[in-house]
Amino acid sequence: EAGVAQSPRYKIIEKRQSVAFWCNPISGHATLYWYQQILGQGPKLLIQFQNNGVVDDSQLPKDRFSAERLKGVDSTLKIQPAKLEDSAVYLCASSLDHHVMQQFFGPGTRLTVL
Amino acid sequence: DQQVKQNSPSLSVQEGRISILNCDYTNSMFDYFLWYKKYPAEGPTFLISISSIKDKNEDGRFTVFLNKSAKHLSLHIVPSQPGDSAVYFCAASGVTTNAGKSTFGDGTTLTVKP
Repeated sequence: EAGVAQSPRYKIIEKRQSVAFWCNPISGHATLYWYQQILGQGPKLLIQFQNNGVVDDSQLPKDRFSAERLKGVDSTLKIQPAKLEDSAVYLCASSLDHHVMQQFFGPGTRLTVL
Repeated sequence: DQQVKQNSPSLSVQEGRISILNCDYTNSMFDYFLWYKKYPAEGPTFLISISSIKDKNEDGRFTVFLNKSAKHLSLHIVPSQPGDSAVYFCAASGVTTNAGKSTFGDGTTLTVKP
């Protein structure tokens, strides 16, 4: 069974530039999560999708962050414009359903904002 | 306010001995708890979980204990092996609220010395 795929693995940008991350969850997984993990901290949930609908985006800084999962499969997270404090690892995870607690994580995208 | 706390950023143990990782939580609505393990440059992987209706769950060398009155859980690894060296995250969820949403602690880095 293929795991959660993410790309790119690494990205370096200047502040005020825009960036996009892509995630393809495990086949058949209805729930998809985007997390931000700052160095030395645990993953912090940014947004949770159930199929193509948003379940929770209370922690998403909506002035600069956006995410979509148009067909209920893969997803894109965008930052525009980026700030220095956005430097972090962005993790995508999926689960069979939002009632299933166990999440499967991708390898993450390490973003450096200069 | 951090709802899930792992107060020990690091732990070092000798191979063959017991490793005990601790986690405290403040939100009494949490009723399902998970431990994830993370190697460098990889996403977290699920290790073991426990529901609040239990006080212990075992899986091979890994045992999780839950003390609901103290809002405390611990992960025991016996015997510890060098391959167990990783960052361990405690996560908590509320089944009756948004079941899929997990709140993570900041992790404990375990080093097992040969």
